[in-house]
Amino acid sequence: KNQVEQSPQSLIILEGKNCTLQCNYTVSPFSNLRWYKQDTGRGPVSLTIMTFSENTKSNGRYTATLDADTKQSSLHITASQLSDSASYICVVSPPRGGNKLTFGTGTQLKVEL
Amino acid sequence: NAGVTQTPKFRVLKTGQSMTLLCAQDMNHEYMYWYRQDPGMGLRLIHYSVGEGTTAKGEVPDGYNVSRLKKQNFLLGLESAAPSQTSVYFCASAPGQGFAGELFFGEGSRLTVL
Repeated sequence: KNQVEQSPQSLIILEGKNCTLQCNYTVSPFSNLRWYKQDTGRGPVSLTIMTFSENTKSNGRYTATLDADTKQSSLHITASQLSDSASYICVVSPPRGGNKLTFGTGTQLKVEL
Repeated sequence: NAGVTQTPKFRVLKTGQSMTLLCAQDMNHEYMYWYRQDPGMGLRLIHYSVGEGTTAKGEVPDGYNVSRLKKQNFLLGLESAAPSQTSVYFCASAPGQGFAGELFFGEGSRLTVL
C-alpha cells in the first residue's frame, strides 16, 4: 500500500529559528510531491511542488528538497515566524494525473516567542 | 473570489439522523472531492467527481453518498449518521485536465455525531 510518513509528529521552536520537516514515501512511480500548510481551523494550502526530476524548490522562507532515490523529501523553514505555526502535510501524486493522492499525517509546528 | 465554500461549518447530529454537506466552487473546476480528516490520520478520500454528473468512490466511501448535479456543486450525504463519522470534512476542487496535484480546499465542516 502506498504510504507517506512524516516526522516529527510535532515540533516547537522559538521565533527566528530554522527547522526541517521530513517526509518519507513509498509511492512509486509518482508525478509530483507537494507540501501543504494547514492553519488551525482552515483547509490546506499548497506551498511547493516538485516533480520527480527536481531536487529543490523554494517559496520565500520555505525550501523543499526531494531525493527520489531514497524516496525522501524535506521542508526547511528559515527564520521562523509566529505565523508559521500550522500543520505541514506532504502529499504525493500518482502519475498521469491520477486523482488518488496520498497524504501524510502532517507535522504540527508551533513557533513560540 | 470565494473559491471553495462549505456549508454548514459546524453541525451536531444524533445517531441515525441524516444530513447533507454542501460544497460550492466558483473556479469552474472539473474535479471535486470530499475528504475526512481525523486526529493522527492523513486526509482520507471519501468520494470524488471528475465532472458534472459523475461520481466515484474513494478510500472510505461506506456510509456516505454524493451527487454532482451541477458543475459548481458537490453534495455529501449521510443517510444514517454514526459516531464513527464524527470528523472534520473538507471539500476540494481541481482544474481537471493537466491536473498536477494541487487541490483547492474549503474551510472544513466539523461534524459531531452523538
